[in-house]
This record gives sequence, structure tokens and C-alpha cells, in this order.
Amino acid sequence: ETGVTQTPRHLVMGMTNKKSLKCEQHLGHNAMYWYKQSAKKPLELMFVYNFKEQTENNSVPSRFSPECPNSSHLFLHLHTLQPEDSALYLCASSQDGGGVRETQYFGPGTRLLVL
Amino acid sequence: AQTVTQSQPEMSVQEAETVTLSCTYDTSESDYYLFWYKQPPSRQMILVIRQEAYKQQNATENRFSVNFQKAAKSFSLKISDSQLGDAAMYFCAYRSGDNAGNMLTFGGGTRLMVKP
Repeated sequence: ETGVTQTPRHLVMGMTNKKSLKCEQHLGHNAMYWYKQSAKKPLELMFVYNFKEQTENNSVPSRFSPECPNSSHLFLHLHTLQPEDSALYLCASSQDGGGVRETQYFGPGTRLLVL
Repeated sequence: AQTVTQSQPEMSVQEAETVTLSCTYDTSESDYYLFWYKQPPSRQMILVIRQEAYKQQNATENRFSVNFQKAAKSFSLKISDSQLGDAAMYFCAYRSGDNAGNMLTFGGGTRLMVKP
């Protein structure tokens, strides 16, 4: 256990559904991240939040909408997804999004299948 | 932009033997950090070891050590006395040291199989 939890662990949704992924960290960190891991592709950073403010949006389509109500929680709201969005979505946290001695700690991921 | 390359999609090692996973990266920066992450079948990404580019000494963590060659932009991971639990995907990652955020750039991964 790394202190970062994600729910649900598995999700199947249709293209017209709306769902949300949740991430919670118990490490007292101030920065949180969403990554996408597709088959045969390197991990792709999607969003970065630092002290609840979004500091990075890595050209992610608007059908993915992040929300960070506080430093411990991060959501990824999903709507009208496409089958190619099927992937493992990983959440991570770190002490401070700009610190020089940063290490990111990852959650177990949500395996998403879009039908 | 930085790139990270892991040229070995798969590697296998006999239990108790030593294996080395390769990683090269491309950057014009002098200050950066390098990481090896392990992702077992459970999918949880776990930090294995990290190296600061300004440190000449290679990082070690129990059975895991790195061979950091800054001039060659190479950052290989050596696993000694391999155990069945070491079987996983291993990802090399790069992070800039310029305080411009904490974006990690990952390589494509190497799948390590451990034979009993």
C-alpha cells in the first residue's frame, strides 16, 4: 500500500454514460496527478493539481473533466467517452508539485472499459 | 522535450541470478531526476529507486542498484539475487529539476519474468 487509494478498481461504461473516478491520498501531500496507461504506450500524464489548483492539462479532451476539492481528493469525471479511452487510469500524489526532491506515489489504478 | 527509451520490451532471469534493465534518455538539461518504478500484476506502481543527476554516486536500495552514466545518458537498473516477486513491468522515468512542475516522462517499460 502506498497511501493512495482509487475507486472503483474496475469500471465498464457505455459511450453515453457519465461516471467518475475517485482518488484519495492519506500522505499529507499537496500535489495530485492523473495518468492514462494504454496498452503498448508509455504512461501519459493527463492533469496535475498543486494545492488544489490545476497546473497542467496535457491536451486532454474535454470529455475528461478533473476536479480537486481539496489536497486529499481528486476526481476524474467521464462523459461521452470513446472505446479508445479504455485504459488503466492511475492517480498519483507527491509532497509538493514543484519541490526539488519530489517523488510520486501511485494508486492501484482504475481499469476502464468503454463499450 | 525529454524522451525516455527502454529498448528491452521483455527480459527474463533465473531466480537468484542478476539481471540488468536498460534505460536511456534524451535531455538538454543538466539538473534532473531519474526513477525506476515497478508495476506488478496488481497494477500498483511502486517506486524502486531514484537518482539525482547531480550525484555521481550510484543509488542503491537493497538488491536494487543503478548504473548512472550521465555523459552517455544511460540509467540502467540492476537487480541482484532475483526473486519471484520481482516479476513485473519496470518503468524508467525522468523528471526535470527546474521546479517547473513535477511532470514525469516514462519509458515504454520492460516486462521482467523470473524463472524458478
